[in-house]
Amino acid sequence: NAGVTQTPKFQVLKTGQSMTLQCAQDMNHNSMYWYRQDPGMGLRLIYYSASEGTTDKGEVPNGYNVSRLNKREFSLRLESAAPSQTSVYFCAIPLGTAGSVNGELFFGEGSRLTVL
Amino acid sequence: EDQVTQSPEALRLQEGESSSLNCSYTVSGLRGLFWYRQDPGKGPEFLFTLYSAGEEKEKERLKATLTKKESFLHITAPKPEDSATYLCAVQAGGDKIIFGKGTRLHILP
Repeated sequence: NAGVTQTPKFQVLKTGQSMTLQCAQDMNHNSMYWYRQDPGMGLRLIYYSASEGTTDKGEVPNGYNVSRLNKREFSLRLESAAPSQTSVYFCAIPLGTAGSVNGELFFGEGSRLTVL
Repeated sequence: EDQVTQSPEALRLQEGESSSLNCSYTVSGLRGLFWYRQDPGKGPEFLFTLYSAGEEKEKERLKATLTKKESFLHITAPKPEDSATYLCAVQAGGDKIIFGKGTRLHILP
């Protein structure tokens, strides 16, 4: 999806391994979001960032860390992966301009993570 | 705590059979309610924003409405290509966006 690039698209990890999911945007928006999606659970907010250098916890932050070192990139790190973290992870940015509501989100293609 | 509940979880309709999906919410200070469509293997795609009770938005066979406690997504004379998961989300104060679990809609030809 032009505008939001997620890497990797697929990853298989063993329990206890660490990895970082990367999200990069070229839409110059202040806010960025990380969600996870599991069957029958909809989208659950992990962390979000309202601006460069700031991050806030969402609904399910445990087991994750994030980093927003610049405006363009927002990374999600699993320090010690667990099978419960098997999921599809989506990065999203608002479609609107700064000051408008953020809920009109544009999503990346997703990163499919399996933890064995 | 902000909450979004969608019903039903799944819905099967015959082509042309109109129906409604429900999204009830509990938030303090609603800034916006949003509807999305998600196709299998894809990220959600934004459909509508509703800001205040009484507001309505339409797009092709879809119409979204909002009251003080819930929103409805009405689907009129659906076609098989309308089959998807429909997600509802809310934004309260700040930048936090919370989604419901979605309704899986299947339109039979």
